[in-house]
Amino acid sequence: EDQVTQSPEALRLQEGESSSLNCSYTVSGLRGLFWYRQDPGKGPEFLFTLYSAGEEKEKERLKATLTKKESFLHITAPKPEDSATYLCAVQENNNDMRFGAGTRLTVKP
Amino acid sequence: NAGVTQTPKFQVLKTGQSMTLQCAQDMNHEYMSWYRQDPGMGLRLIHYSVGAGITDQGEVPNGYNVSRSTTEDFPLRLLSAAPSQTSVYFCASRRQGPSNQPQHFGDGTRLSIL
Repeated sequence: EDQVTQSPEALRLQEGESSSLNCSYTVSGLRGLFWYRQDPGKGPEFLFTLYSAGEEKEKERLKATLTKKESFLHITAPKPEDSATYLCAVQENNNDMRFGAGTRLTVKP
Repeated sequence: NAGVTQTPKFQVLKTGQSMTLQCAQDMNHEYMSWYRQDPGMGLRLIHYSVGAGITDQGEVPNGYNVSRSTTEDFPLRLLSAAPSQTSVYFCASRRQGPSNQPQHFGDGTRLSIL
């Protein structure tokens, strides 16, 4: 069965302590891998799309990378405002996007 | 720029009641979808539409109906509410075409079924 698994479920960091979130996937044909940020009481907010293995994208303190089996979201020198749930999703065909359960990130000042 | 607007934000129903969750987008997106989000689980696709007059089932369609009479609106109907339908419901839209367009989400409807 096609799956998207995110780890860890929760991550607590001190401000400035860099780390990575993982998204592993088993789908038959990847058309795109998406990262979203979700704040409490809000809908997911789009961050990145990755299309092929080896691709990388950056936005402020975030960098997303993609291999054939997984994606990493690297957070460099995080700040408290980076606290959120980060969601990974894969698109297998035109109309089906499958989401992971998310990683809940807390950054302490 | 409103984006995707969902109403109501909160709703409490009794078992067996019916209701409609509203979703509207102002970006002229062809593709619209409904997801439910439950603790410890990823967003799961309920129904989707690739344009006015066209709808199809997602991963968890049972107990829900949709229709798409205009490009802007995509309401989700609960026919006879059950406690298992207690969840947070998100509507999303994106441009149709290349399949890897990101979806834009509303802020959700929090639904409790007693």
